[in-house]
Amino acid sequence: GEDVEQSLFLSVREGDSSVINCTYTDSSSTYLYWYKQEPGAGLQLLTYIFSNMDMKQDQRLTVLLNKKDKHLSLRIADTQTGDSAIYFCAAAVQNEKLTFGTGTRLTIIP
Amino acid sequence: DAGITQSPRHKVTETGTPVTLRCHQTENHRYMYWYRQDPGHGLRLIHYSYGVKDTDKGEVSDGYSVSRSKTEDFLLTLESATSSQTSVYFCAITQGQSSYEQYFGPGTRLTVT
Repeated sequence: GEDVEQSLFLSVREGDSSVINCTYTDSSSTYLYWYKQEPGAGLQLLTYIFSNMDMKQDQRLTVLLNKKDKHLSLRIADTQTGDSAIYFCAAAVQNEKLTFGTGTRLTIIP
Repeated sequence: DAGITQSPRHKVTETGTPVTLRCHQTENHRYMYWYRQDPGHGLRLIHYSYGVKDTDKGEVSDGYSVSRSKTEDFLLTLESATSSQTSVYFCAITQGQSSYEQYFGPGTRLTVT
């Protein structure tokens, strides 16, 4: 089945850009997602990209997809303290069942 | 939050007891899901439902059962709770067959002692 991998930790200085990376194994994945989870909360859908797209931009967020390498990234411009959270990458192959990565904990350095 | 509530939000129970978690949605979504979240594993799909009385197993369904007798409610039952089922449980919905946006409830923290 699908396997989604992310690095566990990322630290970034306030005001810099954060880049969170994700790889997946199933080339049939049609939708790729980024979720944000703050402490004690549920998952907030940030953005998603269709497999026929290379890039999607939404305000401070930019998603890049390299289908050949099965690599997805989330760039957060001008990182703020409120961006501190765990970010999950997820992939959907069929029937809308998502496979999640383990999450990347983003820490902002003042 | 797409009108999703979960109850209870926190529960402590003893090994061997049955436990039922409830997911309730107010917007008539057809697709509903149960996930569990554990450190080092991300979220893993337990069961899902495509409509009333239409359910199927996910990746980690052993020890769990579900029921959906009404569109708005999706129940997850731990038939005989074990310590390995200590976890945070999330319900999710997809807004429709043409939508791939999956939204999550606030979660239920379950501790099995």
